[in-house]
Amino acid sequence: AQKVTQAQTEISVVEKEDVTLDCVYETRDTTYYLFWYKQPPSGELVFLIRRNSFDEQNEISGRYSWNFQKSTSSFNFTITASQVVDSAVYFCALSEENFGNEKLTFGTGTRLTIIP
Amino acid sequence: DGGITQSPKYLFRKEGQNVTLSCEQNLNHDAMYWYRQDPGQGLRLIYYSQIVNDFQKGDIAEGYSVSREKKESFPLTVTSAQKNPTAFYLCASSWRVETEAFFGQGTRLTVV
Repeated sequence: AQKVTQAQTEISVVEKEDVTLDCVYETRDTTYYLFWYKQPPSGELVFLIRRNSFDEQNEISGRYSWNFQKSTSSFNFTITASQVVDSAVYFCALSEENFGNEKLTFGTGTRLTIIP
Repeated sequence: DGGITQSPKYLFRKEGQNVTLSCEQNLNHDAMYWYRQDPGQGLRLIYYSQIVNDFQKGDIAEGYSVSREKKESFPLTVTSAQKNPTAFYLCASSWRVETEAFFGQGTRLTVV
């Protein structure tokens, strides 16, 4: 069974600090996909990044970076030089290529507050 | 514009009534999902559908029902059997399991 764990329920940092959001996943499949989504106060989830299980290359997009490590089943998300607009709930998600049972499972989310 | 539309945004239900939440997408996506969000519990999967006329139960399907008669539509009915239906409901769609999901703006259901 697939499972995603985000142990950090809430994080608060002062603006311009760096912050890392942790994500640990469980899966029996060799082919799977990992995602990060942002949920601002409006409620609609916004897609940030996708990674497949065969691509462990880390990725950087502006102030955002992602560290995928299969050895520890982790897919962590770092925001550098945080800004108030980064305040939101962030979700990590996992889908498996399990024919006939493909579903997208989310973690419980991390509420990030950036203090001005 | 392409997207996924949920309606209504706010919904009030009396105890013992069934209500149906609408979800429509014009993205030509095969997969559609319904999630429930409660404070501190993240997104929990209610039902999902990978193709028209087929759907599977998620982790918390009891008290809910769905249909997938058209590719574009995946309505969710919250039945009177759902004991604690007050929550925020999110619908999503994706082209395939390995592609990103697009979400609607959500429906906030309150039992009065």
